[in-house]
Amino acid sequence: DAGVTQSPTHLIKTRGQQVTLRCSPKSGHDTVSWYQQALGQGPQFIFQYYEEEERQRGNFPDRFSGHQFPNYSSELNVNALLLGDSALYLCASSYRAGTALSGELFFGEGSRLTVL
Amino acid sequence: SQQGEEDPQALSIQEGENATMNCSYKTSINNLQWYRQNSGRGLVHLILIRSNEREKHSGRLRVTLDTSKKSSSLLITASRAADTASYFCAASGGSYIPTFGRGTSLIVHP
Repeated sequence: DAGVTQSPTHLIKTRGQQVTLRCSPKSGHDTVSWYQQALGQGPQFIFQYYEEEERQRGNFPDRFSGHQFPNYSSELNVNALLLGDSALYLCASSYRAGTALSGELFFGEGSRLTVL
Repeated sequence: SQQGEEDPQALSIQEGENATMNCSYKTSINNLQWYRQNSGRGLVHLILIRSNEREKHSGRLRVTLDTSKKSSSLLITASRAADTASYFCAASGGSYIPTFGRGTSLIVHP
């Protein structure tokens, strides 16, 4: 049973560029959440997708956008990259957004983005 | 701002000792979870405690929750070198979105 998979694992971009990160959720999961983790900090919630729609969003600008596909996989897009966007981007999957029963998140290994 | 805040920020102990980490949160919660992260990799879920529970055990882990003080603690008994990692609490309120603290870095010396 495959867990949460993310790609790419590492990437380097320059300021102003755009990046797309990908995530495949754990088998049987229908909800994908994205988190940004800066060095030495805890994960910060970006947004959550369920039934191909953004259901919840954290305090991130519109440069951060996403998508969920019919097979539940998801993409995170960041436009006009800033140096401060350098971080580990974590995808987490769960089952049934918004219920107490689905509290547990299963995380991928993350995509480490460096912006120069 | 982060819902959960762990204390201490760093903890260094010897193998066999117990490790206690604390978490405080700001608003009412539905549940609180603890996760572990090894050296910048993905987080691994350890335990979830609901707001109507006071204590929960899982193997060498013991979690307590005091909703009146808006605090939780994670106890790892008989620590092993393999327990070396960062530990995060994540509090979920009405939106059921886990909000993480900055974590406690635990080092267990063999």
